[in-house]
Amino acid sequence: DAGVIQSPRHEVTEMGQEVTLRCKPISGHNSLFWYRQTMMRGLELLIYFNNNVPIDDSGMPEDRFSAKMPNASFSTLKIQPSEPRDSAVYFCASSFKASTLHNEQFFGPGTRLTVL
Amino acid sequence: KNEVEQSPQNLTAQEGEFITINCSYSVGISALHWLQQHPGGGIVSLFMLSSGKKKHGRLIATINIQEKHSSLHITASHPRDSAVYICAVRGTSGSRLTFGEGTQLTVNP
Repeated sequence: DAGVIQSPRHEVTEMGQEVTLRCKPISGHNSLFWYRQTMMRGLELLIYFNNNVPIDDSGMPEDRFSAKMPNASFSTLKIQPSEPRDSAVYFCASSFKASTLHNEQFFGPGTRLTVL
Repeated sequence: KNEVEQSPQNLTAQEGEFITINCSYSVGISALHWLQQHPGGGIVSLFMLSSGKKKHGRLIATINIQEKHSSLHITASHPRDSAVYICAVRGTSGSRLTFGEGTQLTVNP
Protein backbone atom coordinates (compact mmCIF):
# COMPACT_ATOMS: atom_id res chain seq x y z
CA ASP A 1 0.00 0.00 0.00
CA ALA A 2 1.40 3.38 -1.01
CA GLY A 3 -0.11 5.17 1.95
CA VAL A 4 -1.55 8.66 1.73
CA ILE A 5 -0.07 10.51 -1.24
CA GLN A 6 0.31 14.28 -1.31
CA SER A 7 1.54 16.56 -4.03
CA PRO A 8 3.48 18.65 -4.43
CA ARG A 9 5.92 17.95 -1.58
CA HIS A 10 7.22 21.48 -1.71
CA GLU A 11 5.66 24.62 -3.13
CA VAL A 12 7.14 28.08 -3.27
CA THR A 13 4.92 30.81 -4.63
CA GLU A 14 4.48 34.53 -4.55
CA MET A 15 1.87 36.37 -2.56
CA GLY A 16 -1.40 36.64 -4.44
CA GLN A 17 -0.97 33.46 -6.46
CA GLU A 18 -3.36 30.54 -6.33
CA VAL A 19 -2.06 27.39 -4.67
CA THR A 20 -3.59 23.94 -5.03
CA LEU A 21 -2.55 21.07 -2.79
CA ARG A 22 -3.56 17.52 -3.68
CA CYS A 23 -4.19 14.40 -1.68
CA LYS A 24 -4.92 10.79 -2.52
CA PRO A 25 -6.16 8.86 0.53
CA ILE A 26 -5.51 5.22 1.22
CA SER A 27 -7.81 3.05 -0.87
CA GLY A 28 -10.87 1.98 1.11
CA HIS A 29 -10.67 4.82 3.60
CA ASN A 30 -13.80 6.95 3.82
CA SER A 31 -12.62 9.85 5.97
CA LEU A 32 -10.12 12.48 4.85
CA PHE A 33 -8.57 15.25 6.90
CA TRP A 34 -6.60 18.37 6.01
CA TYR A 35 -4.25 19.72 8.70
CA ARG A 36 -1.91 22.69 8.86
CA GLN A 37 1.22 22.80 10.99
CA THR A 38 3.10 25.96 11.92
CA MET A 39 5.67 26.73 14.55
CA MET A 40 3.34 29.20 16.23
CA ARG A 41 0.13 27.17 16.29
CA GLY A 42 1.26 23.56 15.97
CA LEU A 43 -1.08 21.13 14.23
CA GLU A 44 -4.58 22.35 13.42
CA LEU A 45 -7.45 20.61 11.69
CA LEU A 46 -8.69 22.65 8.75
CA ILE A 47 -11.48 20.45 7.40
CA TYR A 48 -12.51 16.85 7.21
CA PHE A 49 -14.67 14.82 4.87
CA ASN A 50 -16.66 11.68 5.47
CA ASN A 51 -17.75 9.76 2.38
CA ASN A 52 -16.67 12.76 0.25
CA VAL A 53 -18.94 15.15 2.17
CA PRO A 54 -17.42 18.01 4.20
CA ILE A 55 -18.39 17.42 7.83
CA ASP A 56 -16.50 20.06 9.76
CA ASP A 57 -14.84 23.04 8.08
CA SER A 58 -14.72 25.25 11.15
CA GLY A 59 -10.94 25.17 11.07
CA MET A 60 -10.69 26.75 7.63
CA PRO A 61 -9.05 30.12 8.30
CA GLU A 62 -11.03 32.28 5.90
CA ASP A 63 -12.72 32.42 2.53
CA ARG A 64 -9.39 32.28 0.75
CA PHE A 65 -9.26 28.60 1.66
CA SER A 66 -11.45 26.00 -0.01
CA ALA A 67 -11.39 22.22 -0.11
CA LYS A 68 -13.09 19.73 -2.34
CA MET A 69 -13.38 15.97 -2.53
CA PRO A 70 -14.92 15.10 -5.89
CA ASN A 71 -14.50 11.36 -5.36
CA ALA A 72 -13.27 8.87 -2.80
CA SER A 73 -9.71 8.88 -4.11
CA PHE A 74 -8.90 12.55 -4.48
CA SER A 75 -9.09 15.82 -2.57
CA THR A 76 -7.76 19.31 -3.10
CA LEU A 77 -7.05 22.21 -0.78
CA LYS A 78 -6.93 25.53 -2.59
CA ILE A 79 -5.70 28.90 -1.35
CA GLN A 80 -6.62 31.91 -3.46
CA PRO A 81 -5.06 34.41 -3.12
CA SER A 82 -2.17 33.13 -1.05
CA GLU A 83 -0.49 35.24 1.64
CA PRO A 84 2.86 34.89 3.44
CA ARG A 85 1.07 33.88 6.65
CA ASP A 86 -0.22 30.79 4.85
CA SER A 87 3.33 29.40 4.84
CA ALA A 88 3.14 26.09 6.69
CA VAL A 89 3.24 22.36 6.23
CA TYR A 90 -0.10 21.00 5.11
CA PHE A 91 -0.84 17.39 5.97
CA CYS A 92 -3.55 15.18 4.59
CA ALA A 93 -4.66 12.12 6.56
CA SER A 94 -7.20 9.39 5.96
CA SER A 95 -8.97 6.80 8.06
CA PHE A 96 -11.85 4.39 7.94
CA LYS A 97 -14.98 5.24 9.87
CA ALA A 98 -17.74 2.69 10.29
CA SER A 99 -20.73 3.84 12.33
CA THR A 100 -19.33 5.00 15.66
CA LEU A 101 -16.06 3.16 15.22
CA HIS A 102 -13.16 5.40 14.29
CA ASN A 103 -9.93 3.92 13.10
CA GLU A 104 -6.58 5.56 13.45
CA GLN A 105 -5.55 8.22 10.98
CA PHE A 106 -2.74 7.71 8.52
CA PHE A 107 -0.84 10.82 7.56
CA GLY A 108 0.66 11.78 4.24
CA PRO A 109 4.18 13.20 4.00
CA GLY A 110 2.92 16.77 3.91
CA THR A 111 3.30 19.68 1.53
CA ARG A 112 5.67 22.40 2.66
CA LEU A 113 4.23 25.68 1.36
CA THR A 114 6.23 28.88 1.31
CA VAL A 115 4.51 32.07 0.21
CA LEU A 116 6.94 34.89 -0.47
CA LYS B 1 -5.89 27.19 28.85
CA ASN B 2 -5.41 24.72 26.01
CA GLU B 3 -7.80 21.81 25.79
CA VAL B 4 -4.81 19.46 25.49
CA GLU B 5 -1.64 20.05 27.44
CA GLN B 6 1.55 18.03 27.26
CA SER B 7 4.50 17.88 29.57
CA PRO B 8 7.35 18.26 29.39
CA GLN B 9 7.75 20.45 26.31
CA ASN B 10 11.34 19.30 25.89
CA LEU B 11 13.02 16.19 27.21
CA THR B 12 16.61 15.07 26.89
CA ALA B 13 17.59 11.58 27.98
CA GLN B 14 20.51 9.21 27.81
CA GLU B 15 20.23 6.04 25.80
CA GLY B 16 18.62 3.30 27.85
CA GLU B 17 16.61 5.55 30.14
CA PHE B 18 12.90 5.06 30.81
CA ILE B 19 10.91 7.99 29.43
CA THR B 20 7.46 9.28 30.30
CA ILE B 21 5.52 11.94 28.42
CA ASN B 22 2.28 13.19 29.88
CA CYS B 23 -0.93 14.48 28.33
CA SER B 24 -3.84 16.10 30.14
CA TYR B 25 -7.08 17.18 28.54
CA SER B 26 -10.08 19.12 29.72
CA VAL B 27 -12.91 17.91 27.47
CA GLY B 28 -14.86 14.70 27.14
CA ILE B 29 -13.28 12.45 24.58
CA SER B 30 -14.05 9.34 22.62
CA ALA B 31 -10.41 8.48 21.94
CA LEU B 32 -6.87 9.73 22.44
CA HIS B 33 -4.06 9.43 19.92
CA TRP B 34 -0.32 9.48 20.36
CA LEU B 35 1.58 10.56 17.24
CA GLN B 36 5.27 10.63 16.48
CA GLN B 37 6.73 13.25 14.16
CA HIS B 38 10.18 12.45 12.86
CA PRO B 39 12.85 15.11 12.31
CA GLY B 40 12.06 14.91 8.60
CA GLY B 41 8.48 15.94 9.30
CA GLY B 42 6.59 12.71 8.71
CA ILE B 43 3.83 11.87 11.18
CA VAL B 44 3.15 8.33 12.34
CA SER B 45 0.26 7.22 14.49
CA LEU B 46 1.59 5.26 17.47
CA PHE B 47 -1.53 4.51 19.46
CA MET B 48 -5.23 5.16 19.54
CA LEU B 49 -6.84 4.31 22.86
CA SER B 50 -10.01 4.99 24.77
CA SER B 51 -9.31 3.06 27.97
CA GLY B 52 -6.66 1.09 29.78
CA LYS B 53 -3.28 0.42 28.28
CA LYS B 54 -1.72 -0.52 24.96
CA LYS B 55 1.79 -1.80 24.28
CA HIS B 56 3.79 -1.96 21.08
CA GLY B 57 7.38 -3.00 21.34
CA ARG B 58 9.13 -0.60 23.71
CA LEU B 59 6.22 1.83 23.72
CA ILE B 60 3.40 1.77 26.25
CA ALA B 61 0.42 4.12 26.34
CA THR B 62 -1.99 4.41 29.23
CA ILE B 63 -5.11 6.46 29.75
CA ASN B 64 -7.16 7.32 32.83
CA ILE B 65 -10.52 8.57 31.64
CA GLN B 66 -11.63 9.73 35.10
CA GLU B 67 -8.52 11.83 35.58
CA LYS B 68 -8.44 12.96 31.92
CA HIS B 69 -4.81 11.97 31.65
CA SER B 70 -2.66 9.82 29.42
CA SER B 71 0.99 8.85 29.48
CA LEU B 72 3.34 7.58 26.83
CA HIS B 73 6.25 5.50 28.12
CA ILE B 74 9.36 4.46 26.24
CA THR B 75 11.46 1.72 27.78
CA ALA B 76 15.17 1.31 26.99
CA SER B 77 15.21 4.54 24.97
CA HIS B 78 17.36 4.76 21.87
CA PRO B 79 18.63 7.72 19.83
CA ARG B 80 16.27 6.74 17.02
CA ASP B 81 13.38 7.52 19.40
CA SER B 82 14.33 11.19 19.09
CA ALA B 83 11.27 12.91 17.67
CA VAL B 84 8.33 15.10 18.60
CA TYR B 85 5.56 13.19 20.35
CA ILE B 86 2.10 14.66 19.97
CA CYS B 87 -1.02 13.89 21.97
CA ALA B 88 -4.37 14.42 20.25
CA VAL B 89 -7.91 13.88 21.52
CA ARG B 90 -11.08 13.21 19.62
CA GLY B 91 -14.26 14.69 21.06
CA THR B 92 -17.42 12.78 21.76
CA SER B 93 -19.03 13.83 18.48
CA GLY B 94 -17.46 13.79 15.06
CA SER B 95 -13.90 13.01 14.09
CA ARG B 96 -12.20 16.32 14.90
CA LEU B 97 -8.83 15.94 16.64
CA THR B 98 -7.45 18.58 19.00
CA PHE B 99 -3.69 18.49 19.35
CA GLY B 100 -1.27 19.17 22.14
CA GLU B 101 1.80 21.25 21.41
CA GLY B 102 4.07 18.24 21.34
CA THR B 103 7.05 17.07 23.35
CA GLN B 104 10.47 17.26 21.73
CA LEU B 105 12.42 14.17 22.84
CA THR B 106 16.15 13.90 22.30
CA VAL B 107 17.90 10.67 23.27
CA ASN B 108 21.67 10.96 23.37
CA PRO B 109 23.94 7.95 22.81
